[in-house]
Amino acid sequence: TQLLEQSPQFLSIQEGENLTVYCNSSSVFSSLQWYRQEPGEGPVLLVTVVTGGEVKKLKRLTFQFGDARKDSSLHITAAQPGDTGLYLCAGAYDMRFGAGTRLTVKP
Amino acid sequence: EPEVTQTPSHQVTQMGQEVILRCVPISNHLYFYWYRQILGQKVEFLVSFYNNEISEKSEIFDDQFSVERPDGSNFTLKIRSTKLEDSAMYFCASSKETNNSPLHFGNGTRLTVT
Repeated sequence: TQLLEQSPQFLSIQEGENLTVYCNSSSVFSSLQWYRQEPGEGPVLLVTVVTGGEVKKLKRLTFQFGDARKDSSLHITAAQPGDTGLYLCAGAYDMRFGAGTRLTVKP
Repeated sequence: EPEVTQTPSHQVTQMGQEVILRCVPISNHLYFYWYRQILGQKVEFLVSFYNNEISEKSEIFDDQFSVERPDGSNFTLKIRSTKLEDSAMYFCASSKETNNSPLHFGNGTRLTVT
C-alpha cells in the first residue's frame, strides 16, 4: 500500500484568492487521481494524471504531476464558494486515498 | 448519466445487530469497492471485489465484515454484530477497469450504531 500525505489538512480563504494543495508520497505512482467530496456526497473524480511532469487544466483548476511521479499539486485560481469541499488524492493502482485537504472558500 | 445507488441512505441499529448495506453499481462496471468515512475523517478503503471474489481487503475488513454480489446487479456489505465504532458513512464505488479507471461513488449510507 502506497501512503499519501496531503497538505494542508485545512484551508480557509476568501473568495477570489488563489491556493495550492499538495499530495506527496515516498513511493512512485503509475498514476494518481484527484477527487472532490462535497458534504453528504461521495467523492467525484476531477482528473487522472499519468505522465511525470504532466499538467492538466480543468477551468480554474490546474493539476500537476511531479517529474518523479511521487507528488502532485492542485492549484485553484480565483477560488469561489462553490469550490468548498474535501479534496482527495488517490493512487490509481491501489485506490487508497490521502486524508484530504478540507477547503472552505468564504464569500 | 448512469450512477451508483446505495440504500438505505441512513440506517440506525443497535450494538450487536447485523446490518446489510446495499449498492447497485453501474451496470457495465466490473470492479466494486466499499469505503468507510468516520465523521470528519478520511475515506478509508475496506475491500475491492472482482469476478465474484475479493481482490483485496484492508486491515479494517475483519471477520465482522463480508461482501456479496448475490445477483447481477446488487453488491452488499454485511456487518455482523455491529459495534459503536462502526458508526460511519459507508460508500460503495464501481469502476469499469482497474488502474487509471475513475471510481464512481454512490452517495453513501450513514450507519449509526447505538
